[in-house]
Amino acid sequence: KAGVTQTPRYLIKTRGQQVTLSCSPISGHRSVSWYQQTPGQGLQFLFEYFSETQRNKGNFPGRFSGRQFSNSRSEMNVSTLELGDSALYLCASSLAAGANYGYTFGSGTRLTVV
Amino acid sequence: QQQVKQSPQSLIVQKGGISIINCAYENTAFDYFPWYQQFPGKGPALLIAIRPDVSEKKEGRFTISFNKSAKQFSLHIMDSQPGDSATYFCAARDDKIIFGKGTRLHILP
Repeated sequence: KAGVTQTPRYLIKTRGQQVTLSCSPISGHRSVSWYQQTPGQGLQFLFEYFSETQRNKGNFPGRFSGRQFSNSRSEMNVSTLELGDSALYLCASSLAAGANYGYTFGSGTRLTVV
Repeated sequence: QQQVKQSPQSLIVQKGGISIINCAYENTAFDYFPWYQQFPGKGPALLIAIRPDVSEKKEGRFTISFNKSAKQFSLHIMDSQPGDSATYFCAARDDKIIFGKGTRLHILP
């Protein structure tokens, strides 16, 4: 059974640019959540998508957005990149909404903003 | 405001010893308490989890102790091995998973 796949693994962008990250959840999982991981703040919740709808959102500015497709694959977009957006972005999939049985995480996309 | 407080930040244990990581929470609505293990270059992986109606859960060398009245829970790793060296996160669920800041564990060979 394939795990959670995130692409690309590494990304270098310039301040002001925008970026799109992709996540394919485990087959059959309908919920996808996104987290930002930094050394200072740890793992912070960005948002959760279930059945193509955003059902929960963390405390991040509107520059961070996402979407989910009918096959449960998800993308997140960060516009007008800032240096502080440099982080590991993790996608997590679960069978149902609300993480009642926890998540399975992908290996993440390492974003560096220069 | 940090909803799940984890300590210590880092921990060094001799091979064969017991590693103990502690967490505390405030929100009594939390209903699921997982622990995740993360190796460099990888995403966190679910290690063991407990629900608040249970005081202890054991899986192999890993044990969660849960004290509902004190709003505290801890992870014990018995007979710690160098392969256990990783970052450990406690977490709690209230419709999403909220993580502690992590403990970097190093097991000396």
